[in-house]
Amino acid sequence: AQKVTQAQTEISVVEKEDVTLDCVYETRDTTYYLFWYKQPPSGELVFLIRRNSFDEQNEISGRYSWNFQKSTSSFNFTITASQVVDSAVYFCALSESDTNAGKSTFGDGTTLTVKP
Amino acid sequence: KAGVTQTPRYLIKTRGQQVTLSCSPISGHRSVSWYQQTPGQGLQFLFEYFSETQRNKGNFPGRFSGRQFSNSRSEMNVSTLELGDSALYLCASRPNYNEQFFGPGTRLTVL
Repeated sequence: AQKVTQAQTEISVVEKEDVTLDCVYETRDTTYYLFWYKQPPSGELVFLIRRNSFDEQNEISGRYSWNFQKSTSSFNFTITASQVVDSAVYFCALSESDTNAGKSTFGDGTTLTVKP
Repeated sequence: KAGVTQTPRYLIKTRGQQVTLSCSPISGHRSVSWYQQTPGQGLQFLFEYFSETQRNKGNFPGRFSGRQFSNSRSEMNVSTLELGDSALYLCASRPNYNEQFFGPGTRLTVL
């Protein structure tokens, strides 16, 4: 069975601080996909990134960066120089294949609060 | 392109009633998935439809059902509502592969 653990339930930082959201996953599949989503107060999940199990390259997109380490089954997300608009709930998710990405297993989410 | 739309956005029902929620995917997307989000259980997968066929199903009782139409629009139905069915129901669409795009959700309250 697949499992995603986001141990940090809530994180609070002051604007401009860097913050890392942790994600640890469990799967027996050799091919799988990892995702991060952002859920602002409006409720709609916004896709941030997808990474497949064969691609361990870290990725940077503006202030966002992701660190994927298969050896520790982790897919951590870092926001550099956080802003108030980054306040949201962030979810890490796992799917067993591209075809089954519509059946994703989600972590419980980390609520990030960025204070001015 | 218009995003995923869900109707209604808010719904209040009483125990024992049934409810139908609707989801219109992004144009060209053939896969529609449904998730239930509650404070206690988090985000849980309900089912996925692709080309009018249920492709995957989560661990929910038979009171939860869905269908997809030829234009890829999807509906989910919950019969004999229970208090515990109060949740945000999220619909997501995607092409056969790649990431999901989520709608704003329908918030269902069961009294």
